[in-house]
Amino acid sequence: AQSVTQLDSQVPVFEEAPVELRCNYSSSVSVYLFWYVQYPNQGLQLLLKYLSGSTLVKGINGFEAEFNKSQTSFHLRKPSVHISDTAEYFCAVSERNRDDKIIFGKGTRLHILP
Amino acid sequence: GAVVSQHPSRVICKSGTSVKIECRSLDFQATTMFWYRQFPKQSLMLMATSNEGSKATYEQGVEKDKFLINHASLTLSTLTVTSAHPEDSSFYICSARVAGVYNEQFFGPGTRLTVL
Repeated sequence: AQSVTQLDSQVPVFEEAPVELRCNYSSSVSVYLFWYVQYPNQGLQLLLKYLSGSTLVKGINGFEAEFNKSQTSFHLRKPSVHISDTAEYFCAVSERNRDDKIIFGKGTRLHILP
Repeated sequence: GAVVSQHPSRVICKSGTSVKIECRSLDFQATTMFWYRQFPKQSLMLMATSNEGSKATYEQGVEKDKFLINHASLTLSTLTVTSAHPEDSSFYICSARVAGVYNEQFFGPGTRLTVL
């Protein structure tokens, strides 16, 4: 069965500084990978997803992520964060050709410092 | 884009009562919907997968008699928490998959359930 590990439960970063949120996954088959953002008391919004092809995926709000198969990682990055990026970020994995369940990591809270 | 709504957004009920939460796909047909629960400061845990016109598939450890799921149409799934207790208080989120598209789910805004 697949699993997702987000090593950092919280990441504080100054406004306009770059940020990387780490995500590693485990699966015996090929996977789809996702990053979702959750603002307080709201549902999830898709930031970006990796299905196939280019390993560098660009998403909304200036975020991007890179799929690294050898390291089984899918880290999320943004070159310059804003106060509005304060939220919980979830990495998720879904196994290809399976029952399309999405398994979520525990989440990383991004805390933007003024 | 694909929009999923949930109703109600918040509900407070007394222990022992039943609560129904609706999940609707507003502008697409969803053959499959998923129900998650999220405890404070924790991740989403999949409770069950709901396919239109058939019985839901529950994840291990989820009581199917307590969390009744009905998916009677291609745009509506309901989750009924029967005989709710304080430990059932949580944030319940549904998602829907577009028919034929297997690599993305669209999430509802969630329902905050508080059982007194």
